[in-house]
Amino acid sequence: TAGITQAPTSQILAAGRSMTLRCTQDMRHNAMYWYRQDLGLGLRLIHYSNTAGTTGKGEVPDGYSVSRANTDDFPLTLASAVPSQTSVYFCASSDRGDGYTFGSGTRLTVV
Amino acid sequence: GQSLEQPSEVTAVEGAIVQINCTYQTSGFYGLSWYQQHDGGAPTFLSYNALDGLEETGRFSSFLSRSDSYGYLLLQELQMKDSASYFCAVRQDYNQGGKLIFGQGTELSVKP
Repeated sequence: TAGITQAPTSQILAAGRSMTLRCTQDMRHNAMYWYRQDLGLGLRLIHYSNTAGTTGKGEVPDGYSVSRANTDDFPLTLASAVPSQTSVYFCASSDRGDGYTFGSGTRLTVV
Repeated sequence: GQSLEQPSEVTAVEGAIVQINCTYQTSGFYGLSWYQQHDGGAPTFLSYNALDGLEETGRFSSFLSRSDSYGYLLLQELQMKDSASYFCAVRQDYNQGGKLIFGQGTELSVKP
């Protein structure tokens, strides 16, 4: 089934540890995004990439980094996790910008 | 600053019509999208308006007025399965990706 695969589905992480959330798409979309969703705050853009080799900062980029080595993969790295990064993380992709396809999310708890 | 305002909760009965409004104030505007999310699952795309007017897709319609910085999602013949959160989102960027900024969501409860 075409779409976006995120891994892991959920994770409990000790504060101060690093972690990479994986995102892979098989639709050959040029643009990819990382959002976090917190109760009452909707979806907030962390980082985005309009095409392989380029990335940009969203609304809440601090504490996160991304890379886009190829079209299909867009990993999100937390270098040193803090409890405020407890959230549900969604990866998305888009071909023309009018409709995004989202992955099923990664539920991260930082303790 | 940037803001998208939509009601936090809406309740309606099965078979009725409901309208979810969205007003926005953003730096850059290239279109308004709507997404549906069930129980924290993956948001799914419903509609996109780049120009003023009404777009209809089955039971769902979406409207945009760029001069008023306002849009709405209209759901007709409500069904229990329509109970979900609905998000409006502004496309801020004309690059291929679009870069969406989302509102905080409206939780729709459909009652029998």
